[in-house]
Amino acid sequence: NAGVTQTPKFQVLKTGQSMTLQCAQDMNHEYMSWYRQDPGMGLRLIHYSVGAGITDQGEVPNGYNVSRSTTEDFPLRLLSAAPSQTSVYFCASSTRLGSSYNEQFFGPGTRLTVL
Amino acid sequence: GQSLEQPSEVTAVEGAIVQINCTYQTSGFYGLSWYQQHDGGAPTFLSYNALDGLEETGRFSSFLSRSDSYGYLLLQELQMKDSASYFCAVRDTGNTDKLIFGTGTRLQVFP
Repeated sequence: NAGVTQTPKFQVLKTGQSMTLQCAQDMNHEYMSWYRQDPGMGLRLIHYSVGAGITDQGEVPNGYNVSRSTTEDFPLRLLSAAPSQTSVYFCASSTRLGSSYNEQFFGPGTRLTVL
Repeated sequence: GQSLEQPSEVTAVEGAIVQINCTYQTSGFYGLSWYQQHDGGAPTFLSYNALDGLEETGRFSSFLSRSDSYGYLLLQELQMKDSASYFCAVRDTGNTDKLIFGTGTRLQVFP
């Protein structure tokens, strides 16, 4: 199993550009989520999905869109990049069964810089 | 809503024992999780406590006291490779599909 994969690993954007961060998992997990991590601020939830066709907002959803057309894929779209979106982005997945719901599997991250 | 408090940094020497605390404020509770993250890496799951008491996994143990809204991660026989950031996390009681993370504790282990 590859686990959770993310592409690209690094990205530099100019203000106003749009792009899609890709996330895929091969563990048949129902739950997938996106976090951003800024220095000294821990992980903040952007969007999440509890299954194909279902998405919902997290703590910091503004400026981001998501979709979940398949169980495996959960792309994150930046609509019009801003310098405040410079961050490290992590995708995570898990089953929703019992206590295993608390064991999130994280991808390697995408380091995004917006100039 | 929930809030989680952790010390920002802890230092210790190899072979020592260190405790990383996490206090939380929440109207309900669905258990406390711990994650480890090395610099430049992704968070990895360490443990989950649903009930009061101590859960042991090798050199790491996690403790929960729901009456005190408090938990801690105990690392024994510290090794240099334990230098990392450690995050506690709880479920949002308003929406249990949301996992809320603390701001993390950076552990530095010195020889």
